Amino acid sequence: KQEVTQIPAALSVPEGENLVLNCSFTDSAIYNLQWFRQDPGKGLTSLLLIQSSQREQTSGRLNASLDKSSGRSTLYIAASQPGDSATYLCAVRGYTGANSKLTFGKGITLSVRP
Amino acid sequence: KAGVTQTPRYLIKTRGQQVTLSCSPISGHRSVSWYQQTPGQGLQFLFEYFSETQRNKGNFPGRFSGRQFSNSRSEMNVSTLELGDSALYLCASSFPDSYGYTFGSGTRLTVV
Repeated sequence: KQEVTQIPAALSVPEGENLVLNCSFTDSAIYNLQWFRQDPGKGLTSLLLIQSSQREQTSGRLNASLDKSSGRSTLYIAASQPGDSATYLCAVRGYTGANSKLTFGKGITLSVRP
Repeated sequence: KAGVTQTPRYLIKTRGQQVTLSCSPISGHRSVSWYQQTPGQGLQFLFEYFSETQRNKGNFPGRFSGRQFSNSRSEMNVSTLELGDSALYLCASSFPDSYGYTFGSGTRLTVV
């Protein structure tokens, strides 16, 4: 059974800091990995999608990497801003059958202080 | 293009009642998945439908059911509501699978 872990559960940083959010998963047989952002009481916004054959993806100030062999992904946020304050969720998708669904971590709640 | 639309946004129901939630996927998306989000358990997978067929199912009791129509719109039904069913219910659509999921804004269900 796939398990996804995100530590720490919460993080507070001053504005302008570069930061790394970590995600680990137990089963390396993943189809893809997706990072999401969730604002309080809202739905999920997709940030980056990494296919199993890829090592990283970039979008603006965000960069996500994937190391399947070690079961790890990181989301790098450059020059953090107060508007980046949200919960960041990592989710992995397996290939077939019962694993062909998204398994989520519990998320990291980020607070960027002005 | 329009995103994933979930209706209603908020619901308050009484224990024992039943409820139906609706999800309209992005045009052209044939896969619709449902997730339950609670503070304690996080996001948990309910089920996924693809071309009107249930493709995958999570570990929820039979009170939770769903279906998908020929236009890919999906409904989720919960019968005999319990207090523990209070949650944010999120719907996501995708097609093809490699494109990842797009989520709706969710339906906030409160059972009193």
